[in-house]
Amino acid sequence: GQSLEQPSEVTAVEGAIVQINCTYQTSGFYGLSWYQQHDGGAPTFLSYNALDGLEETGRFSSFLSRSDSYGYLLLQELQMKDSASYFCAVMDDYKLSFGAGTTVTVRA
Amino acid sequence: NAGVTQTPKFRILKIGQSMTLQCTQDMNHNYMYWYRQDPGMGLKLIYYSVGAGITDKGEVPNGYNVSRSTTEDFPLRLELAAPSQTSVYFCASSPRESLNTGELFFGEGSRLTVL
Repeated sequence: GQSLEQPSEVTAVEGAIVQINCTYQTSGFYGLSWYQQHDGGAPTFLSYNALDGLEETGRFSSFLSRSDSYGYLLLQELQMKDSASYFCAVMDDYKLSFGAGTTVTVRA
Repeated sequence: NAGVTQTPKFRILKIGQSMTLQCTQDMNHNYMYWYRQDPGMGLKLIYYSVGAGITDKGEVPNGYNVSRSTTEDFPLRLELAAPSQTSVYFCASSPRESLNTGELFFGEGSRLTVL
């Protein structure tokens, strides 16, 4: 089975940097995905790491260490619209298994 | 392209009733999935399909059934609805390349309440 752990909540001010950590235990592993979900909305894809290292997409970056079964999502220059839930998810054999999510609250 | 379309968006069921949640995608994706999301929780996989005629159980399949007669459609059937099935249901699809991209395409969700 799959097990993913991430913090439940993070609060930060506009313009700040937030790092959301994710550790996982899986029977199979192709890569680590990150999704954003606003209240009442569908999850939307942010990034994917199949190999060790840092992937940068605009203000968001994601990191993976396969040997440590660890990854993180870095949100820079926080904006109010970044207030949402963020999920890490392990890709295994075409299936995604999700963590419980981290609620990010951005304050003015 | 419409992407992944789910119907209905909202539904209230009485205990013991049955219903089907519809999901269709127009991206010619091989893989389709049904997830449920309880309040404040992550998504849990109910069933998935790797192609027409092939389905398999996910993490929480009890109380549900699926079929995949075409590439486009992947309906989810709830038999004998129970309050524990009150949740938001998301359908998703992905192409073969998703192992390299990690991206699933989600519908807008179907909010089901069982009373």
